[in-house]
Amino acid sequence: GQQLNQSPQSMFIQEGEDVSMNCTSSSIFNTWLWYKQDPGEGPVLLIALYKAGELTSNGRLTAQFGITRKDSFLNISASIPSDVGIYFCAGQLRNTDKLIFGTGTRLQVFP
Amino acid sequence: DAGITQSPRYKITETGRQVTLMCHQTWSHSYMFWYRQDLGHGLRLIYYSAAADITDKGEVPDGYVVSRSKTENFPLTLESATRSQTSVYFCASSESRTGGTYEQYFGPGTRLTVT
Repeated sequence: GQQLNQSPQSMFIQEGEDVSMNCTSSSIFNTWLWYKQDPGEGPVLLIALYKAGELTSNGRLTAQFGITRKDSFLNISASIPSDVGIYFCAGQLRNTDKLIFGTGTRLQVFP
Repeated sequence: DAGITQSPRYKITETGRQVTLMCHQTWSHSYMFWYRQDLGHGLRLIYYSAAADITDKGEVPDGYVVSRSKTENFPLTLESATRSQTSVYFCASSESRTGGTYEQYFGPGTRLTVT
């Protein structure tokens, strides 16, 4: 099945550092979503993007809908220990009801 | 205020048994989805439903059956469980909007082990 290419696969950073991750595809998307999943729990929606070029923030998180509509980026500023988890991007193709998920970025934050 | 719930949270069953995983949402969302999550495969769509009595296959539907007689419930049945169906199952729901669905909201998951 189709999946989005998400990178990096994993990140090990020190508390206070900024984090960047991205998702790319050969397909054009109408919507980009970013989720965080903690161990043993379901994914939680962080940010939703609807327009090419859109930049949206949620606290220390900022996400962008790429202008080509084929990619999206998530930045976390001044990381803290509770940022630990797996971050997934998800895209909605035009004229579909379904989301396609990225492979995830596992984030570890060290004090 | 419950949102979306799944039951059971954990289940161990034997090969060949029928198992039903339950999903209930209180938002009156039109769309509901079932995913499985496995290491190395991420989230894969099993089945989804656009409304009561309307269901459609996703990426990996074989061995699963769904029904949706009420908007708020979307049970997933494994007709004859196999070891390859050992996984974590997530239910999600979404509003219906012009042009498709948008944000999906996930339940806490059911961890299923088939022995």
